[in-house]
Amino acid sequence: GAVVSQHPSWVICKSGTSVKIECRSLDFQATTMFWYRQFPKQSLMLMATSNEGSKATYEQGVEKDKFLINHASLTLSTLTVTSAHPEDSSFYICSASQAGEKLFFGSGTQLSVL
Amino acid sequence: SQQGEEDPQALSIQEGENATMNCSYKTSINNLQWYRQNSGRGLVHLILIRSNEREKHSGRLRVTLDTSKKSSSLLITASRAADTASYFCATDPSDYKLSFGAGTTVTVRA
Repeated sequence: GAVVSQHPSWVICKSGTSVKIECRSLDFQATTMFWYRQFPKQSLMLMATSNEGSKATYEQGVEKDKFLINHASLTLSTLTVTSAHPEDSSFYICSASQAGEKLFFGSGTQLSVL
Repeated sequence: SQQGEEDPQALSIQEGENATMNCSYKTSINNLQWYRQNSGRGLVHLILIRSNEREKHSGRLRVTLDTSKKSSSLLITASRAADTASYFCATDPSDYKLSFGAGTTVTVRA
């Protein structure tokens, strides 16, 4: 099956710093990627839809300036958590579709903001 | 927004037993998918059932879909310790923008 690589797997940062998370489709081109946030023992909450070459579409309640998404190529989308605070600590997951209905997920990034 | 709701929230079974979990959703769908998530990892696609299908099998997995009741079930037969994970249903109304349920955490005891 298709492979989606997400990096880093975990990151610890100080409050106020920015963190960039990368999501790459390794063996296919993904015109659309999705970014989710997941709290412990809870479901995935869609944050935004990342479209190659255009602005991301954010879900209601997600701050665009807080969570910057860039989808500069067909194989790479990045999520930057700007000026991170402890409440931003969470598990972030990306996914991509290979021109079909099912999604391929990255392995997730555990962000801890001190 | 979250549309699917899984039931039960947690399930503990003995190795070799079957595990059944249910998913209910609210709006019409193109398809319904089941995913597995091991702790601290991403999700792995298990099976997709389209709105015009009623039952689908994949290995030890059996999925049913009842669109009149807006519900689906996932059956894992002859469970193994490696099946320990959280299982999520996801509905696809359009544009592959899946909406995930809260998940069922399955623990298979050796």
